[in-house]
Amino acid sequence: TQLLEQSPQFLSIQEGENLTVYCNSSSVFSSLQWYRQEPGEGPVLLVTVVTGGEVKKLKRLTFQFGDARKDSSLHITAAQPGDTGLYLCAGEGTGANNLFFGTGTRLTVIP
Amino acid sequence: EAGVAQSPRYKIIEKRQSVAFWCNPISGHATLYWYQQILGQGPKLLIQFQNNGVVDDSQLPKDRFSAERLKGVDSTLKIQPAKLEDSAVYLCASSPNPGELFFGEGSRLTVL
Repeated sequence: TQLLEQSPQFLSIQEGENLTVYCNSSSVFSSLQWYRQEPGEGPVLLVTVVTGGEVKKLKRLTFQFGDARKDSSLHITAAQPGDTGLYLCAGEGTGANNLFFGTGTRLTVIP
Repeated sequence: EAGVAQSPRYKIIEKRQSVAFWCNPISGHATLYWYQQILGQGPKLLIQFQNNGVVDDSQLPKDRFSAERLKGVDSTLKIQPAKLEDSAVYLCASSPNPGELFFGEGSRLTVL
């Protein structure tokens, strides 16, 4: 099993603040994905990063894949209450096409 | 386009009872996954199907869990007998391409 540790586990911030969530592993992944999950729903894919050092932007969200493809970060600029949710990173291992999910970061943005 | 459908949404049973969950993937998606998500944790893969064949079931507790996808479309996940630690959300996902997962809303199981 390839472990993905996310930090922080919980984060509560005021609307308009910036934040960064981290996803770390000792394993190398062929790709890494970020999902957002809201209560009572399944995870929804936000982005997939494939190349070491890759940076992708999705409106106010910036995702980066580490150079060694072992870690990733998610930065949110000017957080909005709609950003509230559980953020999950998931690494795709070599071999079978399955994903190993991280422990999750629960974000609450206070209006 | 219809998403991944799961039922039931909620189920409460007593320990040692059995339960079954159903999943209808997005049409045309060959790959189907069952994940277990315990409260406060990320989803853990239980089993992965490619059409009606099992690709990975290494983390499926086979003494009590079973899953099938007989016609390569719908799938069922069964737990018999259930234990307290099986309380979780069971997520089904389907994929048209490697790594591109679409999740259902999940089935929340409470074992008393």
